[in-house]
Amino acid sequence: EAGVAQSPRYKIIEKRQSVAFWCNPISGHATLYWYQQILGQGPKLLIQFQNNGVVDDSQLPKDRFSAERLKGVDSTLKIQPAKLEDSAVYLCASSLLGLSGRKYNEQFFGPGTRLTVL
Amino acid sequence: QQQVKQSPQSLIVQKGGISIINCAYENTAFDYFPWYQQFPGKGPALLIAIRPDVSEKKEGRFTISFNKSAKQFSLHIMDSQPGDSATYFCAATRLLTGANNLFFGTGTRLTVIP
Repeated sequence: EAGVAQSPRYKIIEKRQSVAFWCNPISGHATLYWYQQILGQGPKLLIQFQNNGVVDDSQLPKDRFSAERLKGVDSTLKIQPAKLEDSAVYLCASSLLGLSGRKYNEQFFGPGTRLTVL
Repeated sequence: QQQVKQSPQSLIVQKGGISIINCAYENTAFDYFPWYQQFPGKGPALLIAIRPDVSEKKEGRFTISFNKSAKQFSLHIMDSQPGDSATYFCAATRLLTGANNLFFGTGTRLTVIP
């Protein structure tokens, strides 16, 4: 079974430039997550989609970050304009279901996109 | 605000030894506690998980000990092997809310020396 795919794997940009990341979840997974992992820290949830609707975007800096999942499959995360503190690995994860009461639906993570903002 | 605190930041263990990583949380609404293992250049992968209604869960060489009253839990890796060298994250989530989103600790970089 193919895992979560992300591209690009690495990106270097100047501050104030814009950048976009792409994620293709595991086939059939309804829920998609974007996490930000700053060096030396654990991943922090930015946004969670259930199909093409947003479940939780409370940690997303909406003045510069945006994300979409138009057809309930692939997703893109955009940063515009980028700041130095956005340097991090951006992880995409997917799970079979996200909203299912007492059952944990395992999140499967992609390899991430390492962003460096100069 | 770090909702899950993890220690130590790094750990060096001899092959065959026991690796112990500790985590603590404050939010009593958390009701599921997974551990993730991350190798360089890879995304985190689920290793083992526990619910707060049990005090211990064992899978092979990996054991989670859970102390609900102290709001602490720990991962024990028995007979540590060089292949276990990775970064380990504890996490917590609130299943009853249905959100399934994870709150991660800061990670522990484990190095097992042959």
